[in-house]
Amino acid sequence: EIVLTQSPDFQSVTPKEKVTITCRASQSIGSSLHWYQQKPDQSPKLLIKYASQSISGVPSRFSGSGSGTDFTLTINSLEAEDAAAYYCHQSSSLPLTFGGGTKVEIK
Amino acid sequence: EVQLVESGGGVVQPGGSLRLSCAASGFTFDDYAMHWVRQAPGKGLEWVSLISGDGGSTYYADSVKGRFTISRDNSKNSLYLQMNSLRTEDTALYYCAKDTNSLDVWGQGTTVTVSS
Repeated sequence: EIVLTQSPDFQSVTPKEKVTITCRASQSIGSSLHWYQQKPDQSPKLLIKYASQSISGVPSRFSGSGSGTDFTLTINSLEAEDAAAYYCHQSSSLPLTFGGGTKVEIK
Repeated sequence: EVQLVESGGGVVQPGGSLRLSCAASGFTFDDYAMHWVRQAPGKGLEWVSLISGDGGSTYYADSVKGRFTISRDNSKNSLYLQMNSLRTEDTALYYCAKDTNSLDVWGQGTTVTVSS
């Protein structure tokens, strides 16, 4: 099983700040890494697919990078509506796995 | 509009059974594999099961293997999860999700509570 380790677990951030969340895979997964946003009491929403590919309708301040074992989600100029939990997910091999999540709080 | 709507959750005693359903609309259902993903209260996301578009291949997390069965009826655009021998640790919000390697569409979830 591929283990995904996210960091940090929690981040308290001022609006307009830049947020960086990392996800490390226990073995190489190429670019089969996807990011989701889950706001309180909502379903997860796909933000970035295949490490860096943008999703229609997702604001351009969200971007992803990385390959192999190390990946990053970046939120440029954080907005109040970005308060949420963020999860990485690998589709390289079964069982599918998710990172433990990063909760982003707005100061 | 692409939509997934889960139903069938509820409260059940340990050892009991439930059948979850997921109604799909807005896309060609049998073109896509489908997943069940769950989220225990206050916890992260856990993949449960996958079924191929034609229903011929199924996969399970070790935590549910032998107890849960995923199935689909493409004529009804519906996905199912039969859950037997339920345990307290199966308590969670259960989501169905559409597969494009990423999970690009999720339902709103249905809550399963296993408690005596």
